Amino acid sequence: DAGVTQSPTHLIKTRGQHVTLRCSPISGHKSVSWYQQVLGQGPQFIFQYYEKEERGRGNFPDRFSARQFPNYSSELNVNALLLGDSALYLCASSARDSYNEQFFGPGTRLTVL
Amino acid sequence: GIQVEQSPPDLILQEGANSTLRCNFSDSVNNLQWFHQNPWGQLINLFYIPSGTKQNGRLSATTVATERYSLLYISSSQTTDSGVYFCAVGYGNNRLAFGKGNQVVVIP
Repeated sequence: DAGVTQSPTHLIKTRGQHVTLRCSPISGHKSVSWYQQVLGQGPQFIFQYYEKEERGRGNFPDRFSARQFPNYSSELNVNALLLGDSALYLCASSARDSYNEQFFGPGTRLTVL
Repeated sequence: GIQVEQSPPDLILQEGANSTLRCNFSDSVNNLQWFHQNPWGQLINLFYIPSGTKQNGRLSATTVATERYSLLYISSSQTTDSGVYFCAVGYGNNRLAFGKGNQVVVIP
């Protein structure tokens, strides 16, 4: 079975632009979460979606938004990019809404110039 | 928010040595996972261990939830064990709070 997939793998943008990152969860998993990992730190929680509803949001500005589609795939959107948004963006999927193991995709490395 | 502290931050091991990584957390949690992050950034699941002890080959983990800590044991280390190990605790729904990681280098 395929694991969590993310696209694109790498992305270079300039300040002020907009970016869309995509994630497909493991087949049968209904929960998708997004994390941001800057260099030298552990990942930070951004969003969680379950059954197309937002179930949690981390301490990130409104420039960050996300959605989940009927097939449980998800998009993370970031508007008005800042240099500080340069990071590895990780998507995690899990079978249920809570109290269960999460599995991560390979990530999208975003560089903002 | 919940705090997760990992120690030691950096560890250099001779191949064949044993080591213990520690994770302390500040509040009750409903999930605890250990990951190994490879050089390309992929987080590899090692253990899902909200409580108790598990073993997988040369790795084992113990979580004592009542005392808010978890330990990851690496025995007979190999160069392929090098990398960053993360402890992540679950709270709320599927939120994970990560520590800053343990950077492990195994030298031949």
